[in-house]
Amino acid sequence: EDQVTQSPEALRLQEGESSSLNCSYTVSGLRGLFWYRQDPGKGPEFLFTLYSAGEEKEKERLKATLTKKESFLHITAPKPEDSATYLCAVRSFYGGATNKLIFGTGTLLAVQP
Amino acid sequence: NAGVTQTPKFRVLKTGQSMTLLCAQDMNHEYMYWYRQDPGMGLRLIHYSVGEGTTAKGEVPDGYNVSRLKKQNFLLGLESAAPSQTSVYFCASSYASGGKYNEQFFGPGTRLTVL
Repeated sequence: EDQVTQSPEALRLQEGESSSLNCSYTVSGLRGLFWYRQDPGKGPEFLFTLYSAGEEKEKERLKATLTKKESFLHITAPKPEDSATYLCAVRSFYGGATNKLIFGTGTLLAVQP
Repeated sequence: NAGVTQTPKFRVLKTGQSMTLLCAQDMNHEYMYWYRQDPGMGLRLIHYSVGEGTTAKGEVPDGYNVSRLKKQNFLLGLESAAPSQTSVYFCASSYASGGKYNEQFFGPGTRLTVL
């Protein structure tokens, strides 16, 4: 069964304190791993898609990496505005034709000034 | 471009009442999805559609029905609401699979409470 597990559930950082969020997955033929950001009371906002092990994507203070079993979202020198829930999702070979995604439960990040 | 919009934003129902949630997208996306999000459960797929006039069941379809009469609209119906359907509902849309640039775009959500 395809599965996505995110850790930690919650993370509290001081402004400027770099850290990483983890997304481990078990999927029948990965056809894409997606990172989203979700602010309270809003819908998820797309950040990155990764397709193959070794791939990396960057956006401002965020960098996503992918291995054959997990993905990391590295946050460098975070600011309070980076506070949000970060969601990871995978698209499997069997979900490919319909673009269906399987989501993890997310990591709630709080960055204190 | 409004992207994906959802109506209403909030709703309170009594057990047994019915309602319809409306999702609209202006990106000419072929695929549309309805999710529910509950604490500790993540986003779970209720129903989805790969084109006008087509619908299919997702992971948690019981108690819900959907219709896609127009490409830009996807309706989610609750025929007889139950307290277990208290949740936040999100609609999403995407281009058809086959290409790399087909991430799902989400609406702002509808918060539904069933008493």
